[in-house]
Amino acid sequence: GNSVTQMEGPVTLSEEAFLTINCTYTATGYPSLFWYVQYPGEGLQLLLKATKADDKGSNKGFEATYRKETTSFHLEKGSVQVSDSAVYFCALSASSNDYKLSFGAGTTVTVRA
Amino acid sequence: ETGVTQTPRHLVMGMTNKKSLKCEQHLGHNAMYWYKQSAKKPLELMFVYSLEERVENNSVPSRFSPECPNSSHLFLHLHTLQPEDSALYLCASSQASGQGAASYTFGSGTRLTVV
Repeated sequence: GNSVTQMEGPVTLSEEAFLTINCTYTATGYPSLFWYVQYPGEGLQLLLKATKADDKGSNKGFEATYRKETTSFHLEKGSVQVSDSAVYFCALSASSNDYKLSFGAGTTVTVRA
Repeated sequence: ETGVTQTPRHLVMGMTNKKSLKCEQHLGHNAMYWYKQSAKKPLELMFVYSLEERVENNSVPSRFSPECPNSSHLFLHLHTLQPEDSALYLCASSQASGQGAASYTFGSGTRLTVV
């Protein structure tokens, strides 16, 4: 079946540091890939997505590239801020039309001033 | 405002109580979901409703009973819960086709504590 594995946290960084959160997936066919962010006390929000191989999703300074050859969708940000402290979830759907999402376990990121 | 509203935000209930969680969306979506989020565990999909019909029930105990009276509203009825049911319960909605998962919108959740 479809599944997502993301790096375990927690991750603690200083402001302006580089952030990488690894995500790999297992799926048949051509899945769509997503990163969601959950700020304290809130629900999940879509951060970025990619629907086919080599697509790069980007938003709020975050980027992730859909790598079919390595079945990966790693999240990166070049210079984090305290406001980026949150839980980040990698997710996939079986196709761009499929409405069901499979989530990773989440990675807690804390950015210190 | 996320477009999906969940009430209450916090709920404390005894093991013998009966309570209900409510979820409401006015995004024109036709699929709705209940997820359970426990500490240090992946999000657990509990129920899926598509076009007001339950299409998925992931081995959820019968003490959790969902209800979807129309495409805008979703309830989770709770009775005789256990302390291990304490968690954040998230509601989400999406289009059942077309954009599919790309249209997913989550509510802020109900933090449930069973005492």
